[in-house]
Amino acid sequence: QKEVEQDPGPLSVPEGAIVSLNCTYSNSAFQYFMWYRQYSRKGPELLMYTYSSGNKEDGRFTAQVDKSSKYISLFIRDSQPSDSATYLCAMTYGNNRLAFGKGNQVVVIP
Amino acid sequence: AAGVIQSPRHLIKEKRETATLKCYPIPRHDTVYWYQQGPGQDPQFLISFYEKMQSDKGSIPDRFSAQQFSDYHSELNMSSLELGDSALYFCASSKGLAGAPTEAKNIQYFGAGTRLSVL
Repeated sequence: QKEVEQDPGPLSVPEGAIVSLNCTYSNSAFQYFMWYRQYSRKGPELLMYTYSSGNKEDGRFTAQVDKSSKYISLFIRDSQPSDSATYLCAMTYGNNRLAFGKGNQVVVIP
Repeated sequence: AAGVIQSPRHLIKEKRETATLKCYPIPRHDTVYWYQQGPGQDPQFLISFYEKMQSDKGSIPDRFSAQQFSDYHSELNMSSLELGDSALYFCASSKGLAGAPTEAKNIQYFGAGTRLSVL
């Protein structure tokens, strides 16, 4: 069983909709929780990070962490076609190595 | 702002050949990480270096070796290449200096990757 579970199913939404992504994890030692965005054939781009339970907002993006349930979420408001990409959750442990989820491919339809 | 630079962007090799991938971290970042991303897979941690010393080791095959140099750039050397080594190889960097804020140490910035194809 992977330490980070992210349902890799693709997600298609109309422009302007809210995109909701989530991951669960099993390792209580995870310290930092990140969301990366990856366009095709490009490197992961850091979107948001947090280390405590609760919500963190940055523009149209909200990251949510619930450590008691071992559950993290990313919400994208007012989605745009340029948001179409693969979104990976990631968590740090040990000497700061990252454990990734499998990623969700998001398509925002104009 | 300067980002993580990886070279080459694409590399085609035959089985049993060797390959060297290079990574130049963001200026003033002294920690480098290597990840392998197979087709349709999430990135897997291979190895990391802090101040030219190996700081952590993941699922890196014995055929692979890596090092970090005095200018903090890093090279991943891959020998006896196999078909299964075909993947995207990413390098990431972070600030790992003692005394740096914990947040800074935990934030990794990725390069665009090297796509290795083994034929």
